[in-house]
Amino acid sequence: DTAVSQTPKYLVTQMGNDKSIKCEQNLGHDTMYWYKQDSKKFLKIMFSYNNKELIINETVPNRFSPKSPDKAHLNLHINSLELGDSAVYFCASSPTSGRASETQYFGPGTRLLVL
Amino acid sequence: AQTVTQSQPEMSVQEAETVTLSCTYDTSENNYYLFWYKQPPSRQMILVIRQEAYKQQNATENRFSVNFQKAAKSFSLKISDSQLGDTAMYFCAFMKHRGNQGGKLIFGQGTELSVKP
Repeated sequence: DTAVSQTPKYLVTQMGNDKSIKCEQNLGHDTMYWYKQDSKKFLKIMFSYNNKELIINETVPNRFSPKSPDKAHLNLHINSLELGDSAVYFCASSPTSGRASETQYFGPGTRLLVL
Repeated sequence: AQTVTQSQPEMSVQEAETVTLSCTYDTSENNYYLFWYKQPPSRQMILVIRQEAYKQQNATENRFSVNFQKAAKSFSLKISDSQLGDTAMYFCAFMKHRGNQGGKLIFGQGTELSVKP
């Protein structure tokens, strides 16, 4: 029944480690996104993929690498984690046609804490 | 570049009363979308309402309605008959129309709404 799911929901790790967050949507949407919500709750887009192609790449350190193996999945890999990477990361997806086109539906978020 | 401003960091309302959350935005685009999202303590981002800029009629969803003033670049959210479950952070967001490729949401800073019994 889940629409947009993310794993894990919580991630605690040490500085310098590499970690991945996975996202899956079962809505049949063509476009998927990653957003970052900082400690002041400000939300900002990081990446967007449309049919497995990268279409939005905001100013994000190249330690962050998204990967979309298929339309339903968009994973986020982070190398050499830093304290400033601590945040909540949201995955979202949207259809590109139909009545709800361009409306983004969010996953539950992954809270990342870097120690 | 587009910006979205929510000038009320916190608001409170008594249960069953009406409250209006403000949002203004800046853009030179003519074709775009505006959204209100709700984020309760559970952290989930929930779509409340959406407005297409080309539509003059204000969007409504049950107890939620907007006052969209395109010339003034204003997009306020009215919540009628407030319920305890409406307690949440509310985000206003702008998105430029990008055809069939989706687009990035530009969010305001959020308004923390508390509904008091």
